[in-house]
Amino acid sequence: AQSVTQLDSHVSVSEGTPVLLRCNYSSSYSPSLFWYVQHPNKGLQLLLKYTSAATLVKGINGFEAEFKKSETSFHLTKPSAHMSDAAEYFCVVSDQPTGGGNKLTFGTGTQLKVEL
Amino acid sequence: DVKVTQSSRYLVKRTGEKVFLECVQDMDHENMFWYRQDPGLGLRLIYFSYDVKMKEKGDIPEGYSVSREKKERFSLILESASTNQTSMYLCASSSWGLAGNTIYFGEGSWLTVV
Repeated sequence: AQSVTQLDSHVSVSEGTPVLLRCNYSSSYSPSLFWYVQHPNKGLQLLLKYTSAATLVKGINGFEAEFKKSETSFHLTKPSAHMSDAAEYFCVVSDQPTGGGNKLTFGTGTQLKVEL
Repeated sequence: DVKVTQSSRYLVKRTGEKVFLECVQDMDHENMFWYRQDPGLGLRLIYFSYDVKMKEKGDIPEGYSVSREKKERFSLILESASTNQTSMYLCASSSWGLAGNTIYFGEGSWLTVV
């Protein structure tokens, strides 16, 4: 069984300040972990993914996330927020022991607000 | 460029109507999915399909059915729409292979049942 918890439903930052969106997971197997972003009235776009390679994963638009097995965490960070980062972010886990199927479990989302 | 297309972006239907939501992908992916998205609940899997004419129930299949007659097309069917099915529906696709393959999403279909 797998689950994912996004610890904050809303995060507000000022433009130019760091972003931290927190995610904890549980998994029966070695998980694959993803962060997706959703802008208003749009589908979900992949930001980055972890699949048992390097624990620090770099994604698009300056985002990165670190897989910490001991803490079962996969927090998303960005050094300097931009207005265009305002969106909803989803942490996602998949622990299919073999390939295929890709049944994912989504967190409930974190709404990021960026203020001037 | 990867593309998952949901033909209907906004629909308003009456209670009891039969509703079809269509999804087409152009990436020759084996796997296709239907999710619904509701505020505070994230995305929940309704059905998925890993091959033509194959389907499996997700976490919330009640009140829904699906059809996959061609590899590129996956339809979600609400046999008799109800107001609690008012939601955003997202179609997605992915390919077989190593765990962790990226899932690609369509832009969503907003369904309102009145």
